[in-house]
Amino acid sequence: GAVVSQHPSWVICKSGTSVKIECRSLDFQATTMFWYRQFPKQSLMLMATSNEGSKATYEQGVEKDKFLINHASLTLSTLTVTSAHPEDSSFYICSARPTSYYEQYFGPGTRLTVT
Amino acid sequence: DAKTTQPPSMDCAEGRAANLPCNHSTISGNEYVYWYRQIHSQGPQYIIHGLKNNETNEMASLIITEDRKSSTLILPHATLRDTAVYYCIVSRSGGGADGLTFGKGTHLIIQP
Repeated sequence: GAVVSQHPSWVICKSGTSVKIECRSLDFQATTMFWYRQFPKQSLMLMATSNEGSKATYEQGVEKDKFLINHASLTLSTLTVTSAHPEDSSFYICSARPTSYYEQYFGPGTRLTVT
Repeated sequence: DAKTTQPPSMDCAEGRAANLPCNHSTISGNEYVYWYRQIHSQGPQYIIHGLKNNETNEMASLIITEDRKSSTLILPHATLRDTAVYYCIVSRSGGGADGLTFGKGTHLIIQP
């Protein structure tokens, strides 16, 4: 149990376009989901916390107008990278916590390449 | 959240127990110790967590010292598939309400 999926698993887009990444909890409901970013040979960095039905909370240094997060239901959160640039190329990973659980479960990640 | 210190890399022979240490000397009383691992190009996988007592599940054992300033993750019979980066994370709120702060972790390499 506690499976999290992401779609797409990889995407290539042109500079200036927008890309939407979906994160779904498949067998549980998640009031809170998290978005992380990982550059090559680096560790994961928390970008934002997404709460169902409310605005996301962004970490310092993360542009909320560039990384739009929507958590419209208890099983779906989306991250939209707007006006993507090559420096946004990264591995984007979401996680979710089942209610009353202590741990988070991570999706498989989405590799974004901006050309 | 308290910081953690882990060795950057470790080797272990296949079939042997892998013991991964973690120092968290500034841990607070309400902070949990979590272990996750990340196999190359995949999302992290939850392994185990604990507060004070030692814990065991189907994947691993977690040994926390009495003063809670350090812990050891034990993989009892390491296989090649256990090669991954292992992250020791200290987190308040049970690690669920807050996002996790990942350090550099330990790159565990299981040798055949």
